[in-house]
Amino acid sequence: DAGVIQSPRHEVTEMGQEVTLRCKPISGHNSLFWYRQTMMRGLELLIYFNNNVPIDDSGMPEDRFSAKMPNASFSTLKIQPSEPRDSAVYFCASSPVGGATDTQYFGPGTRLTVL
Amino acid sequence: EDQVTQSPEALRLQEGESSSLNCSYTVSGLRGLFWYRQDPGKGPEFLFTLYSAGEEKEKERLKATLTKKESFLHITAPKPEDSATYLCAVGAGTYKYIFGTGTRLKVLA
Repeated sequence: DAGVIQSPRHEVTEMGQEVTLRCKPISGHNSLFWYRQTMMRGLELLIYFNNNVPIDDSGMPEDRFSAKMPNASFSTLKIQPSEPRDSAVYFCASSPVGGATDTQYFGPGTRLTVL
Repeated sequence: EDQVTQSPEALRLQEGESSSLNCSYTVSGLRGLFWYRQDPGKGPEFLFTLYSAGEEKEKERLKATLTKKESFLHITAPKPEDSATYLCAVGAGTYKYIFGTGTRLKVLA
């Protein structure tokens, strides 16, 4: 299995630009999570999808952030407009079922730098 | 409030010097405790899941244990390749993980 795939691996953009991060979960996994990791706050859950449906988006910082999962094999996280404080590493994770007892498998992350 | 605290924040060991990392938690209804390893520039890599107090799991030089209030990751005779950040997460509620901030381990040759 290829594991969770994320693209791009690195993104450098200027403040005000739109940024789109992409994720392909492990085939057969029903749940997908987007996280943000910073030195100050560690790993924070942004949004959780189960069977392609957003279940919890309470971690999305503000309306500039949006996420979609149009099918079981693809998800996007969009930031529009981007700001320097959005600079972080963004991880996508998937799990077979999505319960709190279920193991989550992480992708390699996208390092976002907003100038 | 559900909370996970890891200690120490950073640890330097000589090769072969065994030690333990701590993960203490306060959660209403533990669903599972997860240990991950994270190398620089990479995503967290799953190591262990523990579900109930008294449970232990081993993998090579690593052994994870669980009590009702904390978990330990014991590293026996570590090697430089064990250097990484070790993250602890608690499964709480229906689907959420609550992550600790990690322990940065450096093993010197």
